[in-house]
Amino acid sequence: GAGVSQSPSNKVTEKGKDVELRCDPISGHTALYWYRQRLGQGLEFLIYFQGNSAPDKSGLPSDRFSAERTGESVSTLTIQRTQQEDSAVYLCASSLAAGGGPDTQYFGPGTRLTVL
Amino acid sequence: AQSVTQLGSHVSVSEGALVLLRCNYSSSVPPYLFWYVQYPNQGLQLLLKYTTGATLVKGINGFEAEFKKSETSFHLTKPSAHMSDAAEYFCAVKGRTGSNYKLTFGKGTLLTVNP
Repeated sequence: GAGVSQSPSNKVTEKGKDVELRCDPISGHTALYWYRQRLGQGLEFLIYFQGNSAPDKSGLPSDRFSAERTGESVSTLTIQRTQQEDSAVYLCASSLAAGGGPDTQYFGPGTRLTVL
Repeated sequence: AQSVTQLGSHVSVSEGALVLLRCNYSSSVPPYLFWYVQYPNQGLQLLLKYTTGATLVKGINGFEAEFKKSETSFHLTKPSAHMSDAAEYFCAVKGRTGSNYKLTFGKGTLLTVNP
């Protein structure tokens, strides 16, 4: 079956511009996660959505970052007024459910964002 | 809050040699532990995970990991390295933070395999 897809695969933007990144989760997965991966670093949690519950935004680094998800489908991560330190790979993952179980998160290929 | 420490940001082995990638964690009980692999310009792929029961977990591509509660470790091994194993490996722990459950990743270990 289809995995998690993300678009665009690469995005180059100028400092100060807004960018929008898209994630299509695996069909039927109620949980969706966004992570940031800076060069040489591990994955930094940003936000997750679980069904119709309020999202957990505790990982968003500033108010320039926001994300939306419509139901259990597509999610968009928006970065406003981009800064050079926003340059990173943004990874999306989905799982059957969030909560305390050992559900596996399935990752998309990521969007590589470069802010000039 | 949980945390993961991967000892060694870069490990280099010869083809055919033993691969050992170290991971130590701290977490509330019970921990769920994962190893993911990331090939260049790709997303993360699950290698294996520990949930409950048998402490030796077998994964894909000949990898396995042993959960040792007394040592809070979950080291990844493979008896004989192959060139195709060259990638970055991430250990992760799932635990509770407040009212939510989070997957916390280590900083990763880059494995190179020399011919």
